[in-house]
Amino acid sequence: QQQVKQSPQSLIVQKGGIPIINCAYENTAFDYFPWYQQFPGKGPALLIAIRPDVSEKKEGRFTISFNKSAKQFSLHIMDSQPGDSATYFCAASRGSSGSRLTFGEGTQLTVNP
Amino acid sequence: EAGVTQFPSHSVIEKGQTVTLRCDPISGHDNLYWYRRVMGKEIKFLLHFVKESKQDESGMPNNRFLAERTGGTYSTLKVQPAELEDSGVYFCASSQIRGPAGELFFGEGSRLTVL
Repeated sequence: QQQVKQSPQSLIVQKGGIPIINCAYENTAFDYFPWYQQFPGKGPALLIAIRPDVSEKKEGRFTISFNKSAKQFSLHIMDSQPGDSATYFCAASRGSSGSRLTFGEGTQLTVNP
Repeated sequence: EAGVTQFPSHSVIEKGQTVTLRCDPISGHDNLYWYRRVMGKEIKFLLHFVKESKQDESGMPNNRFLAERTGGTYSTLKVQPAELEDSGVYFCASSQIRGPAGELFFGEGSRLTVL
């Protein structure tokens, strides 16, 4: 069964909009939640990550919100730009070095000019 | 510094043939992973090497898949014989042993098409 569920599958916003991508997980042993960004023809690259001891983490225009009780986390992109158009993957792991990542299905984001 | 490199970038083979994918991790990265993404689905874990040892191969679909990492440097993933459902993008990733958890560095992937 899929342990990390991601929605929506695709998202189109106008430049300056705030796209929000949501993920839900099942395994309460997960304690590290990264987001990866993938541009066409490239591999996924770590964008931002959060641990469950905080409810929010912000890096530049990217913010993760985390709700431990609901087992949900989301990515918000403030003032989105056409260059943010990419596929975004949420993931989860047990946090220790070397632990495997469990990914969501990905969200294809398009930011129109 | 060179990133994770994968070869070939795209391979098209007939059902029943053999394909070998290669991954060169970032120098000094002892952790090496293989993942696969089937069209539109999640990126799924296949296996994890620590140096030359298989740490976790629970994601390998079946015994048609064989991964090796001789000498703890580059790795190969062989599919023999290939089936239609093996089509997808195979990603290799690497990380440091003592690096932050989850900080994997991915290659650009090897797209496999089985006809």
